[in-house]
Amino acid sequence: KQEVTQIPAALSVPEGENLVLNCSFTDSAIYNLQWFRQDPGKGLTSLLLIQSSQREQTSGRLNASLDKSSGRSTLYIAASQPGDSATYLCAVRGYSGGGADGLTFGKGTHLIIQP
Amino acid sequence: GAVVSQHPSRVICKSGTSVKIECRSLDFQATTMFWYRQFPKQSLMLMATSNEGSKATYEQGVEKDKFLINHASLTLSTLTVTSAHPEDSSFYICSASPSTNSYNSPLHFGNGTRLTVT
Repeated sequence: KQEVTQIPAALSVPEGENLVLNCSFTDSAIYNLQWFRQDPGKGLTSLLLIQSSQREQTSGRLNASLDKSSGRSTLYIAASQPGDSATYLCAVRGYSGGGADGLTFGKGTHLIIQP
Repeated sequence: GAVVSQHPSRVICKSGTSVKIECRSLDFQATTMFWYRQFPKQSLMLMATSNEGSKATYEQGVEKDKFLINHASLTLSTLTVTSAHPEDSSFYICSASPSTNSYNSPLHFGNGTRLTVT
């Protein structure tokens, strides 16, 4: 059974710093990996999607990498801003014999950017 | 594009009553929808996979008679929490997969429903 782990569970840094969030998964048989942002009491905002054949994806100040063979992904946030404060979730989409599964999520990293 | 609408966003009900949550794909057809549950400070956990025109597939440990899923059309799936109890209080969120979606495309999420059972 797929398990997704995110480290650290919480992070608080001053504004302007670059930071890295880590995600690991136990089963490398995945279609893709997605990073999401979740604000308190809200739904999910998709940030980046990395296909299993890709190594990284970039969107603005965000860069996500994927090392499928080792079961690891990182989300790099450059020049952090207070508006980046949220919980960041990593999720992988695997497959079973019947086709694509739903996503398996990590518990998230609760990020606070101090003004 | 690819908007998923989920209603209600928040519901409070008394123990023993049933609650229906709707998940609609507004601008695409969704053969498959997924229902997740998130307890405070926990990860989102997949509850079931809803397939249009067929029975839902439930994850281990999820009671199919308690969490009724109906996916009667390509744009609507409903989750009914029957005889709700306080331990069912949680954040429920759906995601939809377009019929033309390849497995490598992103899933689209609703904004979730906060259920509180008193």
